[in-house]
Amino acid sequence: EADIYQTPRYLVIGTGKKITLECSQTMGHDKMYWYQQDPGMELHLIHYSYGVNSTEKGDLSSESTVSRIRTEHFPLTLESARPSHTSQYLCASSVQSGHNSYEQYFGPGTRLTVT
Amino acid sequence: KNQVEQSPQSLIILEGKNCTLQCNYTVSPFSNLRWYKQDTGRGPVSLTIMTFSENTKSNGRYTATLDADTKQSSLHITASQLSDSASYICVVSDRGSTLGRLYFGRGTQLTVWP
Repeated sequence: EADIYQTPRYLVIGTGKKITLECSQTMGHDKMYWYQQDPGMELHLIHYSYGVNSTEKGDLSSESTVSRIRTEHFPLTLESARPSHTSQYLCASSVQSGHNSYEQYFGPGTRLTVT
Repeated sequence: KNQVEQSPQSLIILEGKNCTLQCNYTVSPFSNLRWYKQDTGRGPVSLTIMTFSENTKSNGRYTATLDADTKQSSLHITASQLSDSASYICVVSDRGSTLGRLYFGRGTQLTVWP
């Protein structure tokens, strides 16, 4: 079982609210990721970080923002939630397991519903 | 374009039966291929990982195969159990990425009935 945690697990909020999804890992991994997953669809990378003070946008355009002030913490923020943001958000961290090979460990996810 | 395709999209089997899930990929240059199990409402958990030189790997009742020439992989589940009901995701990483970039299939939704 990976030591990566996400809170809240479920969140229902109204349109226009600001929310922060928390992600923490206790494994000391430098690389961390946020994915968005809709039912029956593949995971899409929306943000990643190589380490402290490093954040980059992923393949899927997202209105969310992230920060990486501490190695273990990688929160995702939506300034003004909309129904189109309804989805499952998965956080992951990785460790190198071979030459240019990284093992990613996933958190349990946050199921977000915006009404 | 790097892609991962899985089939079937969904599968229903009876408890105790075997099944095989398929994965085709176009990711290049290839680094490794993983099969993940994702229970409903949970994050994916790694089952197996195979590099270019490996063509089979087992993890209990799960056996994965890899044909790097045809860019195909399969996951065989033996003597299925109710707890095997989940989405099984094929994930491929490319060798050129220092990020550890992963390419995900959409998964096969397996349902095991008693």
